[in-house]
Amino acid sequence: KAGVTQTPRYLIKTRGQQVTLSCSPISGHRSVSWYQQTPGQGLQFLFEYFSETQRNKGNFPGRFSGRQFSNSRSEMNVSTLELGDSALYLCASSLATGSNEQFFGPGTRLTVL
Amino acid sequence: AQSVTQPDIHITVSEGASLELRCNYSYGATPYLFWYVQSPGQGLQLLLKYFSGDTLVQGIKGFEAEFKRSQSSFNLRKPSVHWSDAAEYFCAVGGSGNTGKLIFGQGTTLQVKP
Repeated sequence: KAGVTQTPRYLIKTRGQQVTLSCSPISGHRSVSWYQQTPGQGLQFLFEYFSETQRNKGNFPGRFSGRQFSNSRSEMNVSTLELGDSALYLCASSLATGSNEQFFGPGTRLTVL
Repeated sequence: AQSVTQPDIHITVSEGASLELRCNYSYGATPYLFWYVQSPGQGLQLLLKYFSGDTLVQGIKGFEAEFKRSQSSFNLRKPSVHWSDAAEYFCAVGGSGNTGKLIFGQGTTLQVKP
């Protein structure tokens, strides 16, 4: 069974631009969560989507948004990029039942110049 | 407040030596506990998990962890470390299936000396 895939793997943007990251979950997984990883703040939860609805949300500004499609694929969008948005963005999928064990993708490395 | 603390930011052990990485958590409900490993530039790989039952859980790559409710701890151990174990290790706590949110510790970087 294929794992979680994320595209693109690397992105370079400039301040003020917007960016869209994509995540394809493991087949059969209905929940997709997004995390931001930075050296200073570590791994922080952004949001979770389940059945095309945002089910949980972390403490990030409204510039960070996401959506989930009927096939469970998810995208996250960051508008008006700031230098501090430079990070590794990780996507995780789960069956969303019981233990909610999550499987992570390789991440998208976003650099904001 | 929900939180995870990994007291050791960096640990160095000799190859073949034993390893213990510490993790303490604070979580209001029944915790589901995880250890993940991350190699440079990679995503997170699940090493092991604890949901209920036997408090000593076995994982991949020869790792094990022990859940101690009285100490709010979930320490990771390995009897004999291999050079390939050098990586960053994260402890995480989460809830039941109604939430995909995991709370992570700051991570422990493991260096293995030959």
